[in-house]
Amino acid sequence: AQSVTQLDSQVPVFEEAPVELRCNYSSSVSVYLFWYVQYPNQGLQLLLKYLSGSTLVKGINGFEAEFNKSQTSFHLRKPSVHISDTAEYFCAVSDSFNKFYFGSGTKLNVKP
Amino acid sequence: SAVISQKPSRDICQRGTSLTIQCQVDSQVTMMFWYRQQPGQSLTLIATANQGSEATYESGFVIDKFPISRPNLTFSTLTVSNMSPEDSSIYLCSVDPGRNTEAFFGQGTRLTVV
Repeated sequence: AQSVTQLDSQVPVFEEAPVELRCNYSSSVSVYLFWYVQYPNQGLQLLLKYLSGSTLVKGINGFEAEFNKSQTSFHLRKPSVHISDTAEYFCAVSDSFNKFYFGSGTKLNVKP
Repeated sequence: SAVISQKPSRDICQRGTSLTIQCQVDSQVTMMFWYRQQPGQSLTLIATANQGSEATYESGFVIDKFPISRPNLTFSTLTVSNMSPEDSSIYLCSVDPGRNTEAFFGQGTRLTVV
């Protein structure tokens, strides 16, 4: 079975500051890793994904994440956030049957 | 990519009644999934909707409470039966058009049970 832990339920940050949203996973098999963003009253949008290859993955809106197999982590980073990045971010893993297991989410609140 | 249409987008229902949520995809997909997002919580997988066979339910979810239909490769329904206020959630349909690429989600159905 797979599980995902997002250590921070809320992250407040000032505009133009860097941010890191943490994600750890556990799995007995190889997994694929994803970050999704959910803006208020909207559906889920894929930010980025790791399937294989380079452990540093770049996504949309200037986000990137690094897959660390030894630490079973997939932390999301952005060097300079904008007000428009205020949203909830979900880390997810997928097993070989394409089902997704999500973390509890991190609410990013960007302040001016 | 895949475009998913969910209906209704929201509803307010009386306890003890049932609601059927529809999910329509603009292309044929092998697997469709139903998730629940309870207030302030993450998404939890309810079941996998299989075309031509019964749905596969995750632990804690049963067919009597959440019957699912999958009549073809572009459509599925989820029924929330005998509703109680605890069923108030957002229900999302998801599809994966290709093996381990990404999941596409509908906009969700926001259900409030009073």
